[in-house]
Amino acid sequence: RKEVEQDPGPFNVPEGATVAFNCTYSNSASQSFFWYRQDCRKEPKLLMSVYSSGNEDGRFTAQLNRASQYISLLIRDSKLSDSATYLCVVNPSGGFKTIFGAGTRLFVKA
Amino acid sequence: DTGVSQDPRHKITKRGQNVTFRCDPISEHNRLYWYRQTLGQGPEFLTYFQNEAQLEKSRLLSDRFSAERPKGSFSTLEIQRTEQGDSAMYLCASSLALWSTDTQYFGPGTRLTVL
Repeated sequence: RKEVEQDPGPFNVPEGATVAFNCTYSNSASQSFFWYRQDCRKEPKLLMSVYSSGNEDGRFTAQLNRASQYISLLIRDSKLSDSATYLCVVNPSGGFKTIFGAGTRLFVKA
Repeated sequence: DTGVSQDPRHKITKRGQNVTFRCDPISEHNRLYWYRQTLGQGPEFLTYFQNEAQLEKSRLLSDRFSAERPKGSFSTLEIQRTEQGDSAMYLCASSLALWSTDTQYFGPGTRLTVL
């Protein structure tokens, strides 16, 4: 089993749709969690951190479920510019070896 | 531009040759990471520095790979006797660690092609 697993997609959604991604992790002692966004042939960029209490940034909401060992990302009112690969990132046990998922591809169409 | 920079951006080499990549982190950042990314995969952790100390290395990092951060500023990643399987994007990231969690900022990467 991979340490961090994501549905690779692709998710094809129309503009204005709501779309959700899940990511599961295997190490129950994992300490910190993030969502990164990566555009085609570009470097990853932090989208948001994921806190135990959940957090929201505009149209984006991230949730953490420690009991089931998954994190989620919800995108509301999708824009064409949201088309990208979304990478789930887990930092196990407070160490420094950061584990990235393989990413979920999102295409938002007009 | 005060972001993370990497040099070169592209490198084409023949199998068996040695290559070296450079990463210049954001100036006040004390942590520096190297990753490798292949098509359709997320970045794979290779190694990590806190200041000049290399604190963690992935098992992916064979003895052909070596990384240094001599003065706690820029870092180099060297691959000796390159193989075709080394072809990938090599990403560097830096962070300012105030607590155990930190936000990593990535450079644009060096794309290596081994012929």
